[in-house]
Amino acid sequence: TQLLEQSPQFLSIQEGENLTVYCNSSSVFSSLQWYRQEPGEGPVLLVTVVTGGEVKKLKRLTFQFGDARKDSSLHITAAQPGDTGLYLCAGASQGTYKYIFGTGTRLKVLA
Amino acid sequence: EPEVTQTPSHQVTQMGQEVILRCVPISNHLYFYWYRQILGQKVEFLVSFYNNEISEKSEIFDDQFSVERPDGSNFTLKIRSTKLEDSAMYFCASSPDVNTEAFFGQGTRLTVV
Repeated sequence: TQLLEQSPQFLSIQEGENLTVYCNSSSVFSSLQWYRQEPGEGPVLLVTVVTGGEVKKLKRLTFQFGDARKDSSLHITAAQPGDTGLYLCAGASQGTYKYIFGTGTRLKVLA
Repeated sequence: EPEVTQTPSHQVTQMGQEVILRCVPISNHLYFYWYRQILGQKVEFLVSFYNNEISEKSEIFDDQFSVERPDGSNFTLKIRSTKLEDSAMYFCASSPDVNTEAFFGQGTRLTVV
C-alpha cells in the first residue's frame, strides 16, 4: 500500500516567518502535486513536479521533488495570514490511475 | 478559467436511499476521478474512469457505488442504499492525461441521516 506522510501535521507561526513542509514516501512517484484546501472546499492545485530534483517556484512558495522521486518539500518564505490552510501532497505512480493523498499539514499564520 | 463543477453542493438523504452526485469535468480532459473526504480525515481515492470504463477502483468502491458518463459532459457517482458512514465530502476531479495534474471540483457534502 502506498502511503504519503506529511510533516508536520500542524504548524502555527507568526507572519513573516519561513517554514518548510515535508511529504515523504517509500514509493516512487511519476508525478507529485501540491494542493491547498480551505474548509468545506475542494483541493486547489498549486504545482505539479515530475522530474527528480525539480524545483518550482510560485511567488513565495518553493516546491522541490526529491532526486529519487519519493519525497517532496514545500517552502514558504515570509508567510502571510493568507497562507493559512491545509496543504496536501498527492502522488501518482506509473501504471496506476489514481493520486494518493498525503495526511496533510494544517498551517496557521498569525498576524 | 476552466473548472470542474459539481452539483449539488449539499445533499441530505435518508439512510437506505439512493443518491446521484453530478460532475462536469473540464471539457478537454480525458480522465475522471471521484474522491471522498470524511470530516477531519484524509482525501481517499474511490475510482478513476477513462474511455467509458473504470480504470481503477479502491476497496471503498464496492457494489454500492457506480459511475457513469451518461453524455459528453457529465460524470456521475451513484450510491445505492446509503449508509450513515457514507456521510462525507465527495470530490470529482479530471485530468488531461493519466497521472498529470488533476483539477478538483468544490465538492458535494453528503449527509446521511
